[in-house]
Amino acid sequence: QLVLTQSPSASASLGASVRLTCTLTSGHSTYTIAWLQRQPEKGPRYLMKINSDGSYTKGDGIPDRFSGSSSGAERYLTISSLHSEDEADYYCQTWGGSWLFGGGTRLTVL
Amino acid sequence: EMQLVESGGGWVQPGGSLRLSCAASGFTFSTYAMSWARQAPGEGLEWVSAINERGDTTYYADSVKGRFTVSRDNAKNMVSLQMNSLRAEDTAVYYCAKEVWFGDFGCFDCWGQGALVTVSS
Repeated sequence: QLVLTQSPSASASLGASVRLTCTLTSGHSTYTIAWLQRQPEKGPRYLMKINSDGSYTKGDGIPDRFSGSSSGAERYLTISSLHSEDEADYYCQTWGGSWLFGGGTRLTVL
Repeated sequence: EMQLVESGGGWVQPGGSLRLSCAASGFTFSTYAMSWARQAPGEGLEWVSAINERGDTTYYADSVKGRFTVSRDNAKNMVSLQMNSLRAEDTAVYYCAKEVWFGDFGCFDCWGQGALVTVSS
């Protein structure tokens, strides 16, 4: 069964970098995923999709500070030079015959 | 700029009905499939329903099948979600979202701000 696993929380200091992880279940390591950001009181925002080879395509207007990568069944979202507005919930999502979301990671910017 | 704006949320008693609408702008609405997703309090995102570009094919999560109906009006750039026989567990913020496909991978590249639906007696 396809499942996306994310750590519930992460934190990093203003100006620092952070890497968030989305892990696909065994047997699904070739799947593409998308990353979404949901800031407080706002709807989700599409950040990028990441392929199994680590190539990624960002959405319109997404800053260069946001990048993606892959290793095996793990898909990463790296945010560099953290801003206060990066404090948000981050979700990964994939397609396996239906849409599936990870549980989300709440990022706190210290 | 792509934009989706939901309306129609509110409070309803268990067993009641509510209709959500979503107005689209900034893209050629009739060429994209659309979905609804929701987020219950303290929970993650859950896909609810989808409708294809022409409006003649619809899909539903098992949790809402038989109770919810999705429709669209391409002349008005609107997609709607009719929710009947509502239950307490349907309480959530409901989002409409624009589907985009990269070969055999689908995701959502534009979301609305959400509409809160509260089902309670």
